[in-house]
Amino acid sequence: DTGVSQDPRHKITKRGQNVTFRCDPISEHNRLYWYRQTLGQGPEFLTYFQNEAQLEKSRLLSDRFSAERPKGSFSTLEIQRTEQGDSAMYLCASSLGQGAEAFFGQGTRLTVV
Amino acid sequence: AQSVTQPDIHITVSEGASLELRCNYSYGATPYLFWYVQSPGQGLQLLLKYFSGDTLVQGIKGFEAEFKRSQSSFNLRKPSVHWSDAAEYFCAVGVPSSNTGKLIFGQGTTLQVKP
Repeated sequence: DTGVSQDPRHKITKRGQNVTFRCDPISEHNRLYWYRQTLGQGPEFLTYFQNEAQLEKSRLLSDRFSAERPKGSFSTLEIQRTEQGDSAMYLCASSLGQGAEAFFGQGTRLTVV
Repeated sequence: AQSVTQPDIHITVSEGASLELRCNYSYGATPYLFWYVQSPGQGLQLLLKYFSGDTLVQGIKGFEAEFKRSQSSFNLRKPSVHWSDAAEYFCAVGVPSSNTGKLIFGQGTTLQVKP
């Protein structure tokens, strides 16, 4: 197993365009998380899946953001009508359960121009 | 609401010197506590964690951290820093009463190591 993988690693998009990121967690992990990290800040929680169910969403996740995890495997995070303020690193993490170590992917760096 | 404060945004130490990175948290009870390290272009790697029990926790790469309930602190230490330790370090808390396992991170401390 190669760990948590995220695709793409970098994305440059024009304001107003839609973007979609993918996360492939460690295969046996039932929990999946999305975080956003802006320059000089720590990661901020966006949303959490247990298997295919999205069980918590942060207030940071506006209605332009949507995340899915069909079949409880990979997950996608879509941002519609991107804004410059969406520029950030989007990190995905997965774990086996409450208290278990969360393994992070290398992230997708989004730049909105 | 839970929060994490890392008072030092940037620290520079000489190679071979000791290191202490500070972390203070705000939470009504004892949270789960973590230290992660992030190298440029890399994801976060867990150094160590504290849930309960012995307040001195050993981690990977020679790091240790001590939980002090009276000070709401979880400071990270290393007796002798190596040049490869240069990276960004994040303290994080998890809320035991929450079933999500989500983490709340501090803003990070950037460690620079002088030869």
